[in-house]
Amino acid sequence: EVQLQESGPGLVKPSQSLSLTCSVTGYSITSNYWGWIRKFPGNKMEWMGYISYSGSTSYNPSLKSRISITRDTSKNQFFLQLNSVTTEDTATYYCARYGVYYGPNYFDYWGQGVMVTVSS
Amino acid sequence: DVQMTQSLSYLAASPGESVSISCKASKSISNYLAWYQQKPGEAYKLLIYSGSTLQSGTPSRFSGSGSGTDFTLTIRSLEPEDFGLYYCQQYYEKPNTFGAGTKLELK
Repeated sequence: EVQLQESGPGLVKPSQSLSLTCSVTGYSITSNYWGWIRKFPGNKMEWMGYISYSGSTSYNPSLKSRISITRDTSKNQFFLQLNSVTTEDTATYYCARYGVYYGPNYFDYWGQGVMVTVSS
Repeated sequence: DVQMTQSLSYLAASPGESVSISCKASKSISNYLAWYQQKPGEAYKLLIYSGSTLQSGTPSRFSGSGSGTDFTLTIRSLEPEDFGLYYCQQYYEKPNTFGAGTKLELK
């Protein structure tokens, strides 16, 4: 069974970088596309970006140059880095697998999420 | 960006009832729409994709309809485990966008 698990610090200071890891078991990240999504307090959700089976990436323009998604295929993990965070980046962060191997579309497996608070 | 509007943020119903949750796109997205369920402490669950195709494991009491800009998730004969948050997501174009969610609560 495909399982995803997010990990990372729950508290980040403003202006610092947020770094999260998504550990995948039961499926190789060298297949399919893999995404990061976040849910803000109040339940609004935002797609942040993805990394493909080949390592190519795509990001939400709203995050401009602050975001980077990378991977370590030897550990079957992919990562989210969000720079220059503000309190508006306080959210629950989810990693997920796209359901169709050939392109980004809907998400068929999700992690349980990790809550990140940005505060001094 | 395509705006996804779930007009009802909250819906109360009783087990055995049928409910419909709507989702409207700000432009035509064909049938590139998915529905998810989230319950506290659990991972999001994909219920429906392509507007009306049930994901494997989704009970047949769930159904999806619509294309273009207007979509509906219908749950017939509610079971206690159906209560939770429901989101729609368009994947017609990037950035993928989500509705604001509809919370289905026990009346």
